[in-house]
Amino acid sequence: KAGVTQTPRYLIKTRGQQVTLSCSPISGHRSVSWYQQTPGQGLQFLFEYFSETQRNKGNFPGRFSGRQFSNSRSEMNVSTLELGDSALYLCASRDQETQYFGPGTRLLVL
Amino acid sequence: QKEVEQDPGPLSVPEGAIVSLNCTYSNSAFQYFMWYRQYSRKGPELLMYTYSSGNKEDGRFTAQVDKSSKYISLFIRDSQPSDSATYLCAMSDAFGNEKLTFGTGTRLTIIP
Repeated sequence: KAGVTQTPRYLIKTRGQQVTLSCSPISGHRSVSWYQQTPGQGLQFLFEYFSETQRNKGNFPGRFSGRQFSNSRSEMNVSTLELGDSALYLCASRDQETQYFGPGTRLLVL
Repeated sequence: QKEVEQDPGPLSVPEGAIVSLNCTYSNSAFQYFMWYRQYSRKGPELLMYTYSSGNKEDGRFTAQVDKSSKYISLFIRDSQPSDSATYLCAMSDAFGNEKLTFGTGTRLTIIP
C-alpha cells in the first residue's frame, strides 16, 4: 500500500501570498489531519477532515483553511502568508488505531 | 506553560546504552499516550501507544506512564545507530481523537 503523499515537498512564497498544499491519504483511509511543525512550537494540530467534513479544529487563525474531496484527498490553504507561517506542514491519515504521517511540505515565507 | 513539556536535547549516547526519554503534561484529561519517531526529512512514525498507567513493552522499546505524576517515559534498550532520530511524545483525551498534543521532540544520536 502506498503511504501518505504530499505535494509539493518544498515551496517558497513571499509575504502576502497564498498557498495551497495537497495530501493524498492511504487508500481506504477517510480521516485526514493537518499539523504545523516548527522548531519552537513543535507539532501543532490544525484541523481534521472526515468524509468531507471538518470534524475538529486547532487554535489557528482563519487564514488557515482546508477541505476534503470525495476521494478523501485533502487540501489546506493559507492566505495572506506571514513570515511565521514558515514551517513543515504534515498531513496524516488514519486507520482504526494508527495515524500515518506523510513526509510533509516545507514552506518558506520570505 | 505548554500542555506537554519535553526536553529538546540533543541527547548523545554510545551504542548499546539504555536511553530514557521523558515528557510531562499538565492536562489531566489526557488518557491516550503515544511515542513517535521522526527521521530527518520524514514524517513522524508511531512507535508505541498506551492508555493506562504502567509499562508497555515492544521489543527494545518500553513505554511507561505515570498518570498520578503526569509523566511518561520511553526507554530504548541496546540502542543502535539506526535509533538516531527525533522522538516525539503525543497525547489526546480519547482514543480516536485526531487532535493530538505533541511535545517539541528530543533529538537523539547513538554514537557507534
